[in-house]
Amino acid sequence: EDKVVQSPLSLVVHEGDTVTLNCSYEVTNFRSLLWYKQEKKAPTFLFMLTSSGIEKKSGRLSSILDKKELFSILNITATQTGDSAVYLCAGWDYGNKLVFGAGTILRVKS
Amino acid sequence: DGGITQSPKYLFRKEGQNVTLSCEQNLNHDAMYWYRQDPGQGLRLIYYSQIVNDFQKGDIAEGYSVSREKKESFPLTVTSAQKNPTAFYLCASRGLAGTDTQYFGPGTRLTVL
Repeated sequence: EDKVVQSPLSLVVHEGDTVTLNCSYEVTNFRSLLWYKQEKKAPTFLFMLTSSGIEKKSGRLSSILDKKELFSILNITATQTGDSAVYLCAGWDYGNKLVFGAGTILRVKS
Repeated sequence: DGGITQSPKYLFRKEGQNVTLSCEQNLNHDAMYWYRQDPGQGLRLIYYSQIVNDFQKGDIAEGYSVSREKKESFPLTVTSAQKNPTAFYLCASRGLAGTDTQYFGPGTRLTVL
């Protein structure tokens, strides 16, 4: 059975800290991995990763994929209270289904 | 405005009643999806459709039904057979093959009284 596991389940940090969120996956015929941010509403797209070792960056957020170890990380540097959200990781299979992890709840304290 | 719309935003229903959630997109996306989200469980796939007049069951299709008569519309009916329907329902869509980014609508929060 396909599965995506995220860790930690929740995390509390102070503004300015750097955080690393983890995502491991076991997805049949894996194609790509997506990261989303969800703030009490619909998830918003952050990154899509298809190739190992190529870092994607957007401002203070970055992500990388390791297809050998079946693993991805999402880094957030200089965290702000606006980064508080649930971060979701999901893997596409070739059957055109996206398998989601349970998410990591991040709370940034001022 | 381009995007995915879902209505209503909040919905209350009595036990034993069927209810239909609307999802419309004007992104010209081929594929559309319905997910259910419960606290602490992430998103679970209910149904998906890759072309008009065709759809497939996801992981938790029991108690739900869908139709895809038009490319831009993918309504979800929550039937009385769904034993625990109170949840947050999210509709999503994706473009043509080769485009892996999936975008979400704003969601409908269904509460069964």
